[in-house]
Amino acid sequence: GENVEQHPSTLSVQEGDSAVIKCTYSDSASNYFPWYKQELGKRPQLIIDIRSNVGEKKDQRIAVTLNKTAKHFSLHITETQPDDSAVYFCAAKGTNFGNEKLTFGTGTRLTIIP
Amino acid sequence: NAGVTQTPKFRILKIGQSMTLQCTQDMNHNYMYWYRQDPGMGLKLIYYSVGAGITDKGEVPNGYNVSRSTTEDFPLRLELAAPSQTSVYFCASRPDRVGYGYTFGSGTRLTVV
Repeated sequence: GENVEQHPSTLSVQEGDSAVIKCTYSDSASNYFPWYKQELGKRPQLIIDIRSNVGEKKDQRIAVTLNKTAKHFSLHITETQPDDSAVYFCAAKGTNFGNEKLTFGTGTRLTIIP
Repeated sequence: NAGVTQTPKFRILKIGQSMTLQCTQDMNHNYMYWYRQDPGMGLKLIYYSVGAGITDKGEVPNGYNVSRSTTEDFPLRLELAAPSQTSVYFCASRPDRVGYGYTFGSGTRLTVV
């Protein structure tokens, strides 16, 4: 099955600087890669996603890049703000019949230092 | 449109007790999932369903059971609760189309003592 690795596990960034979180996946047939943000005590919420036919996607201060050859994708947050402090999870979804589920990374705890 | 609704929000069980975690969605999603999240950890898939009457095991199904008699409801049953089942349980659903992420419920925080 799919295996997703996420790095780093913790990340501290000065407010206003950029943050980058990286994930690798094992199933070359995976075709959908979402990112979730989970604030303390809350549910994970989708913040951005990308499909395998696209190399990059941006939404204001957030962007995701995908390198299918290397089987890795990254989350980029620019001009970080205190509200960006949270745990971020990447995920990958395979295409095989019966594999109708996301496999999540282990999470990155992002702390924005004021 | 309430999205994904989970009940209860909190529960304390004694070892050996049983309970059912309820999950309901009103978005007509065929795909539904149960995940558990241990403190400071990621999400592990317990069971999932691709439609009414169809369920399948995830990574950590032992000690749990599910049923899917309707599109809307996907209850998770814990039999003979154990301390190792202390966790936060999230239910999620998604549309049929590829490329649409999960919508999560607000979670059930379960403690087994």
